[in-house]
Amino acid sequence: IQLTQSPSSLSASVGDRVTITCRASQGISSYLAWYQQKPGKAPKLLIYAASTLQSGVPSRFSGSGSGTDFTLTISSLQPEDFATYYCQQLYNYPRTFGQGTKLEIK
Amino acid sequence: QVQLVQSGAEVKRPGASVKVSCKASGYSFNTQGIGWVRQAPGQGLEWMGWITAYNGNTDYAQNFQGRVTMTIDTSTDTAYMELRSLRSDDTAVYYCARPFAITWWSFDYWGQGTLVTVSS
Repeated sequence: IQLTQSPSSLSASVGDRVTITCRASQGISSYLAWYQQKPGKAPKLLIYAASTLQSGVPSRFSGSGSGTDFTLTISSLQPEDFATYYCQQLYNYPRTFGQGTKLEIK
Repeated sequence: QVQLVQSGAEVKRPGASVKVSCKASGYSFNTQGIGWVRQAPGQGLEWMGWITAYNGNTDYAQNFQGRVTMTIDTSTDTAYMELRSLRSDDTAVYYCARPFAITWWSFDYWGQGTLVTVSS
């Protein structure tokens, strides 16, 4: 299963609402996770089951979608949110990742 | 608290092998598994495979079939990933991570990463 994220990069300002899209090459029900990665650090799980927020993750993050089309939304960008975001399908093997979306400060 | 601590950076010649370790603590290791993900410099995440701790079953990504072996030592709560016949494009940070049932087998905890450099 291939995952295609869009956009590949995004410039935004603190306080903005941003949406990142992940499209699967075939239906994966709700078997999708989102991760955040900062430079030099391991990824951090944000959302699983397409829309369930991992414990400790701020509520400004939300996920939606099922089947082939998914979105990650950050309702009001904070300075610590500038990072690269990856989706991962949990439907079958191999558990592929999207290519990533780099979120930069405008 | 859950922790995954990986072994240190490695420098290897092309054609050599590398074995990275991942020591787990803070949870019941033998009821979970360990996954491995790598990231080449400036690139995205690549799922390599995983191993279940309770029976040692493995699933490897096709890209690594025949070159990778993942093992588990439940007596020391340590997982290992060995990659053979190294090439320059195997230069990457290698991460271990815990797939967790409650999070639909997504990776809820990650090791700090191990940089493997392949160079002649």
